[in-house]
Amino acid sequence: ETGVTQSPTHLIKTRGQQVTLRCSSQSGHNTVSWYQQALGQGPQFIFQYYREEENGRGNFPPRFSGLQFPNYSSELNVNALELDDSALYLCASSRDFQETQYFGPGTRLLVL
Amino acid sequence: AQSVTQLDSQVPVFEEAPVELRCNYSSSVSVYLFWYVQYPNQGLQLLLKYLSGSTLVESINGFEAEFNKSQTSFHLRKPSVHISDTAEYFCAVSASTYDKVIFGPGTSLSVIP
Repeated sequence: ETGVTQSPTHLIKTRGQQVTLRCSSQSGHNTVSWYQQALGQGPQFIFQYYREEENGRGNFPPRFSGLQFPNYSSELNVNALELDDSALYLCASSRDFQETQYFGPGTRLLVL
Repeated sequence: AQSVTQLDSQVPVFEEAPVELRCNYSSSVSVYLFWYVQYPNQGLQLLLKYLSGSTLVESINGFEAEFNKSQTSFHLRKPSVHISDTAEYFCAVSASTYDKVIFGPGTSLSVIP
């Protein structure tokens, strides 16, 4: 059974650019959630996808968008990057909304 | 809406000493409660969870947490810490398995040799 993987591990972008982060869910998991973890803070919920449909969203602007694919891998897209978007982005997968989420190692994004 | 408070941002403790990391939550509905651990430069790992039943839950590496509904608390304890326990610990709450998970700001545990 493979774990949750994320790519890339690190990324540097400049303000105004767009970025795509990727997540491969744990085998058999059809639910994925994305979180933003700013330095020194706890993770903040961005949104959740279940069977390719968005199932809930946190307090993030529309320039944060996502996709879930038929194989349950997922993408987080951020447009018009701002300096405050610099953070560790975590994805977590689970099966049928089970309470136990398995987190990936994260993608560290730096916006200059 | 739910929220989580972790009053101690940093907790230094000597090796083999006991430790308690405090967590309080607010919610108008029944909740699921979690503790996650994050080692340096790694993602989060589930340490333990309370869903229902016994209010005392234990992890495989010696941590335990007790759900106290009247005090809306879910403090994490370990009777004897090791150097390897040095990490960031996050308390989290969710209203249901369909709801988002709300994390606290975290407590940095530093175990001193």
